[in-house]
Amino acid sequence: EAGVAQSPRYKIIEKRQSVAFWCNPISGHATLYWYQQILGQGPKLLIQFQNNGVVDDSQLPKDRFSAERLKGVDSTLKIQPAKLEDSAVYLCASGQGTYEQYFGPGTRLTVT
Amino acid sequence: DQQVKQNSPSLSVQEGRISILNCDYTNSMFDYFLWYKKYPAEGPTFLISISSIKDKNEDGRFTVFLNKSAKHLSLHIVPSQPGDSAVYFCAPPQNAGNNRKLIWGLGTSLAVNP
Repeated sequence: EAGVAQSPRYKIIEKRQSVAFWCNPISGHATLYWYQQILGQGPKLLIQFQNNGVVDDSQLPKDRFSAERLKGVDSTLKIQPAKLEDSAVYLCASGQGTYEQYFGPGTRLTVT
Repeated sequence: DQQVKQNSPSLSVQEGRISILNCDYTNSMFDYFLWYKKYPAEGPTFLISISSIKDKNEDGRFTVFLNKSAKHLSLHIVPSQPGDSAVYFCAPPQNAGNNRKLIWGLGTSLAVNP
């Protein structure tokens, strides 16, 4: 069974530029999560989708972050414009009916 | 206000000995707990879980103990191996309908020395 796929693995941009991350969850998983993990901290949930509907986006900075999961499968997370404090690892995870979440390798974003 | 606390940022153990990683929580509504392991440059990997109806769950070298009255969990790794060197996170779900949001601790970095 293929795991959660994410791309790109690494991205370096300047502040005020935009960036997009892509995630393809495990086949059949209805729930998809985007997390932000800053060094030395646990992952912080940005947004949770159930199929293509949003369940929780309470911690998503909506003035600059957006996410979509149009067909209930893969998803994109966008930042526009980026700030220095957005430097982090962006993790995508998926799940299906249980508490366990399965994570992709993450995208390491550096904003200079 | 941190609902999940992993008070030891790091732990160093000799290969073959026991590793004990601790987790304390404040929310008495938590009824399920997951442990994740994270290697550098990889996403977290699910390791083991425990339901609040149990006080122990064992999977090979990994055992998780739950003390509900003390709101305390511990993960035991016996015997520890160098490949166990990673950051370990305690993460209970905060139940709210369809929202299975995990509440993460800050993690404990385990180093197992050969």
